[in-house]
Amino acid sequence: NAGVTQTPKFQVLKTGQSMTLQCAQDMNHEYMSWYRQDPGMGLRLIHYSVGAGITDQGEVPNGYNVSRSTTEDFPLRLLSAAPSQTSVYFCASSYSLAGGPGTGELFFGEGSRLTVL
Amino acid sequence: QKEVEQDPGPLSVPEGAIVSLNCTYSNSAFQYFMWYRQYSRKGPELLMYTYSSGNKEDGRFTAQVDKSSKYISLFIRDSQPSDSATYLCAMSPSVRHDMRFGAGTRLTVKP
Repeated sequence: NAGVTQTPKFQVLKTGQSMTLQCAQDMNHEYMSWYRQDPGMGLRLIHYSVGAGITDQGEVPNGYNVSRSTTEDFPLRLLSAAPSQTSVYFCASSYSLAGGPGTGELFFGEGSRLTVL
Repeated sequence: QKEVEQDPGPLSVPEGAIVSLNCTYSNSAFQYFMWYRQYSRKGPELLMYTYSSGNKEDGRFTAQVDKSSKYISLFIRDSQPSDSATYLCAMSPSVRHDMRFGAGTRLTVKP
C-alpha cells in the first residue's frame, strides 16, 4: 500500500496563478482532509470530505476549492495564489468520523511545499 | 486565544532523559486526545491516542489527560536520539472530525 500520496512535493507560483495539489489514498478511507502547516501555527484544517460528493469547509477555507468525485482522490485547488498561501500542505485521511476509540487516526501524506512569489 | 496552546520549544535533552511535553486547551467539548510525531520534512504520524481522561502507556511513552484542568501531557522515558522530532498534540470533539492541532514542540535528544 502506498498510503496517502501527494503531488507535487515542491511548487513555486507567481501571485495570481492557479494550481491544483493532488492527493490520493489507497486505503479506502471515507474521510479525507487538507491542512496547511505554518511556523508557530500548527496544522490548520482547510477543507475536508466525509465521502465522495461531500465536502465541507474547515478553519481556513478562503482561497481554496476542493471536490471529491471518487473515494480515492481529493484535489485542492488554489484559484488565484497569494503570498499568504506560502505554506506546507498536508493531505490526510482516516477510516471514518471520530465516533469511537481507534477511529480518529489521521494518515498523512509527506506534504507539498508551496511558495508564492 | 488559540483553542490549543503548545510551547514550540525548542527543547534539547541528553540521551536517557525523561521528556515532558504539554498542551492546554480551552474547548471543553474535546473528547479525543492525540499525540503525533513529525520527523523533518515528513508528514505527522500518530503516536498516542486517548479517549477522555486518564493515562495511557505504550512502551517508553505515556499520555495523560486531565480534563478538569484542560491539560494533556506526553512523557518519554529513556529518550533516544531517534526521538528527535516535532511533537504535535491534537484533539477533537466526539462527533465531527474537526481536529485541532497545537503548534508542535521541536525536541532534540543529544547522544
